[in-house]
Amino acid sequence: GQQLNQSPQSMFIQEGEDVSMNCTSSSIFNTWLWYKQDPGEGPVLLIALYKAGELTSNGRLTAQFGITRKDSFLNISASIPSDVGIYFCAGQGSGTYKYIFGTGTRLKVLA
Amino acid sequence: EAGVAQSPRYKIIEKRQSVAFWCNPISGHATLYWYQQILGQGPKLLIQFQNNGVVDDSQLPKDRFSAERLKGVDSTLKIQPAKLEDSAVYLCASSLGRGITDTQYFGPGTRLTVL
Repeated sequence: GQQLNQSPQSMFIQEGEDVSMNCTSSSIFNTWLWYKQDPGEGPVLLIALYKAGELTSNGRLTAQFGITRKDSFLNISASIPSDVGIYFCAGQGSGTYKYIFGTGTRLKVLA
Repeated sequence: EAGVAQSPRYKIIEKRQSVAFWCNPISGHATLYWYQQILGQGPKLLIQFQNNGVVDDSQLPKDRFSAERLKGVDSTLKIQPAKLEDSAVYLCASSLGRGITDTQYFGPGTRLTVL
């Protein structure tokens, strides 16, 4: 099935650094979601975006809905060890309730 | 508030055997989803229920997979017979409704290994 492309696939950063990741699609989406998944757990919603150009923050996390409606970005500022996990984007297109998930970005934070 | 419950957490079977997974959604949530997450990939929707009716099962391999949500609460997902490529984590999620602002809450998943 169709999946969104996320980059980078994985990243290792030092504690305190900022992180950026993005998600791209060949299709236009009306809604973008960003999830975090810890090992052995289900994904947990971090941020939801509903309008092109929208910029939304949740603590140290900031996400943006790209103006082309084909991409989205997630930034984490001042990373801490508990930011370790896999970050997934998910998009919802027109005329469907179904979300398509990205391939994930695996983040590791070195103390 | 209790989260989405799933059982078992782990299951190992041989190919051609049958297996069933159980999900108890958050109380009051009308919409229930089953996802398949293959190692290294994002979750893929298998089936979506609204109360006890199927909304979308377009990606459910119906020759071997079946799901039901009797009485619009608990749900079971069955695989019969299992294939090697069915090895994955099966995630259940629920939401209040199908609106775009209705957050999906995921359970911890059942990790299936088919030998």
